[in-house]
Amino acid sequence: QVQLQESGPGLVKPSETLSLTCSVSGGSISRYYWTWIRQSPEKGLEWIGCVYHTGFTNYNPSLESRVSISLDTSKSQFSLRLNSLTAADTGVYYCATGEGGSGNFQYWGQGALVTVSS
Amino acid sequence: DIQMTQSPSSLSASVGDTVTITCRASRTISHYLNWYQQKPGKAPKALILAASSLQSGVPSRFRGSGSETEFNLTITRLQPEDFARYYCQQSFSTPPYTFGQGTTVEIK
Repeated sequence: QVQLQESGPGLVKPSETLSLTCSVSGGSISRYYWTWIRQSPEKGLEWIGCVYHTGFTNYNPSLESRVSISLDTSKSQFSLRLNSLTAADTGVYYCATGEGGSGNFQYWGQGALVTVSS
Repeated sequence: DIQMTQSPSSLSASVGDTVTITCRASRTISHYLNWYQQKPGKAPKALILAASSLQSGVPSRFRGSGSETEFNLTITRLQPEDFARYYCQQSFSTPPYTFGQGTTVEIK
């Protein structure tokens, strides 16, 4: 059973960069697509993007100019970087993964609340 | 982007009732439709993948159906633990994968 755990700062200032890490246990990071999803009252659930173990990445076009997702197989972790933050980026950020394709999310972290505020 | 529209946005039901939530896609997505349940303060939980494939450990009172642009999640014999928010999500086309806005199932 794959288990995921997000970590990172809960408060970030506007215009700065958010960095979150997801630690993976119970499964090999050298399979599956590794995904970030966020949730806010305004936008609901929003798929941010994913990374495959080959290094292939796929991003939401609405965020593509500001986002980067990377994989560290030696640490069984993957990371999200989102720059030029505004209040609209406030929300709960989840890491997720699943079987059967990049769009299936059977496994989720517990979520990390990120607030963008000065 | 493929837009996913759920109806109703909320419903009230009693324990033992049968309820149906509908999800419509803005264009055909074959059977690439997933359903999730979310409880307050928790991450979404996968219930059904590929329109009708019940995930391991999910009670059989949950049933998914549909294809192309219209899908249903039916919950029979509602239990107290089923009162939650439900989301559909298309896994057909990326980027991006998209979710419905959610349906809250409340206790009447």
